[in-house]
Amino acid sequence: EIVMTQSPATLSVSPGERATLSCRASQSVSTNLAWYQQKPGQAPRLLIYGASTRATGIPARFSGSGSGTEFTLTISSLQSEDFAVYYCQQYNQWPGTFGQGTKVEIK
Amino acid sequence: EVQLVQSGAEVKKPGESLKISCKGSGYSFSSYWIGWVRQMPGKGLEWMGIIYPGDSDTRYSPSFQGQVTISADKSISTAYLQWSSLKASDTAMYYCARRRRGSGSYWYDDYWGQGTLVTVSS
Repeated sequence: EIVMTQSPATLSVSPGERATLSCRASQSVSTNLAWYQQKPGQAPRLLIYGASTRATGIPARFSGSGSGTEFTLTISSLQSEDFAVYYCQQYNQWPGTFGQGTKVEIK
Repeated sequence: EVQLVQSGAEVKKPGESLKISCKGSGYSFSSYWIGWVRQMPGKGLEWMGIIYPGDSDTRYSPSFQGQVTISADKSISTAYLQWSSLKASDTAMYYCARRRRGSGSYWYDDYWGQGTLVTVSS
């Protein structure tokens, strides 16, 4: 099974600042990777797929990069609604595996 | 409008059986994979398994193989997750999600159910 490791576990950021979240795969997943946002009491929401393609309706401040085993989600200027938990997920080996999540909290 | 509507919260005792459901609407249910994700209290997301309702092809994550059964009835656009003998450690929120292939032939899970909370306690 492919293991996904996210870092850091918690990221404290001030509104308007940039946030950089990392995700590492235990073996190559090519660019078969997606990022999800989850707020308390809600289902996950798709942000990025194919490592770098924004999903429909996702603001341009969210961007994804990487391939193989190293991936990054960048939020260019954090808004109040962006404070949440973010998960990466690989699709190279089905049904897929999530990272353990990064919580983005207000500094 | 695409929707996935899950069955309501359940409270069960250890050893009991349970089947929860996820009904799709607004799209061709038979033509998209649909799967189940577990989220234990205060924890992260875990894929349990996924099924293609068109031919019932089913894939399980190793951790959940033999522990649960995933099925679907395409005639009523509904997927199911069932347990034959619940344990206290099955207490969790369970989400269903639709998987599709988008641009660049990349897969992703675009629509999610609202979640079904399962509580197992004596």
